[in-house]
Amino acid sequence: LAKTTQPISMDSYEGQEVNITCSHNNIATNDYITWYQQFPSQGPRFIIQGYKTKVTNEVASLFIPADRKSSTLSLPRVSLSDTAVYYCLVGPMDSSYKLIFGSGTRLLVRP
Amino acid sequence: SQTIHQWPATLVQPVGSPLSLECTVEGTSNPNLYWYRQAAGRGLQLLFYSVGIGQISSEVPQNLSASRPQDRQFILSSKKLLLSDSGFYLCAWSRGAGDYGYTFGSGTRLTVV
Repeated sequence: LAKTTQPISMDSYEGQEVNITCSHNNIATNDYITWYQQFPSQGPRFIIQGYKTKVTNEVASLFIPADRKSSTLSLPRVSLSDTAVYYCLVGPMDSSYKLIFGSGTRLLVRP
Repeated sequence: SQTIHQWPATLVQPVGSPLSLECTVEGTSNPNLYWYRQAAGRGLQLLFYSVGIGQISSEVPQNLSASRPQDRQFILSSKKLLLSDSGFYLCAWSRGAGDYGYTFGSGTRLTVV
């Protein structure tokens, strides 16, 4: 699986848009980009997945530039309940037997 | 719909005692099953995964073992717990190759004293 690099922590305030960027310089042609969210004392939860350009669902948007060497998870108008750790994972869809999580980005949303 | 059950939620065990954590999945067949551990303030570490009954792959050598006696049952065991086994244990399932949408259980917080 491709190595990913993301900020250790980020701070934001309620109502703001939060963008978390993940670098994956050695992403392979058949790799997809997946983001998970983990609240304290809970298991991670799948948020969004994409291959290129932009993907949007009811929770977040994922922006992937043409070279795919990075991706940005965008959370619109965050609330206190968005305080969590966010993980970026990169790997092929044809052999996803095991997800390997990095340290993630700890997002703190303040009132 | 699919659900995953994991128990117990919390467990306090003395050093040297055995361990058995159980995880079951409902609403699907032949899932891939996983055990992860998260030490306090740390990331998730994949311990074991299974793609079928009796098929177990270990990611990290340790005094833990896993078994899959039935299609939707995954058990994490230890014969003698160490202090370093303390942590938050999570079971997860997926549909297999091509599925990155893992579903995690609610976790077991194990404290070895």
